[in-house]
Amino acid sequence: EVQLVESGGGLVQPGRSLRLSCAASGFTFDDYAMHWVRQAPGKGLEWVSGISWNSGSIGYADSVKGRFTISRDNAKNSLYLQMNSLRAEDTALYYCAKELRFLEWLGWFDPWGQGTLVTVSS
Amino acid sequence: SSELTQDPAVSVALGQTVRITCQGDSLRSYYASWYQQKPGQAPVLVIYGKNNRPSGIPDRFSGSSSGNTASLTITGAQAEDEADYYCNSRDSSGNPYWVFGGGTKLTVL
Repeated sequence: EVQLVESGGGLVQPGRSLRLSCAASGFTFDDYAMHWVRQAPGKGLEWVSGISWNSGSIGYADSVKGRFTISRDNAKNSLYLQMNSLRAEDTALYYCAKELRFLEWLGWFDPWGQGTLVTVSS
Repeated sequence: SSELTQDPAVSVALGQTVRITCQGDSLRSYYASWYQQKPGQAPVLVIYGKNNRPSGIPDRFSGSSSGNTASLTITGAQAEDEADYYCNSRDSSGNPYWVFGGGTKLTVL
């Protein structure tokens, strides 16, 4: 069974940093692209960032470009999101999601983890 | 970057058919994927590609596309289908960048 478990969320002051992690199991991690998607309280979904299976291709939403960095460690079956210069508008539940098909980069997200909550507030 | 537009809310009588639409320029080049999200739960992929369902998704869910509009159709809506539905597509530039629609809240009456 595919499992994605996010961690690293919490309360952080504006301007500070936070690193999210996503531990993957139940599939060959280094065969799949991975993504981060967030959802502000009571709001819709927003794609944040994605990384191909070999880290050769990376993308970011305009809202986080230059502040967030996605990475992965295939030896540890883990996905990361380094978030710097955090703002109040970054407050959201952050989901880790697996690409549906191996060695493809299509933005079909399946499955999703349960999310980790990031709150940016002074 | 591309934008995808969805109606905020749609309702359907139990057992009837409902169509949820998603509009955007990127849909002329890329298929939409569709996600169902129930309160307090993570989203679940229900339709991807031209009209494909992941295993476990009932066949009452189907997808279609025409021009700049993608549609998710539920034929014979059930009470358990009441949820928020989001469309998603790659940016029309072809760069690794994806966009979600604002979501449609489906109420089953």
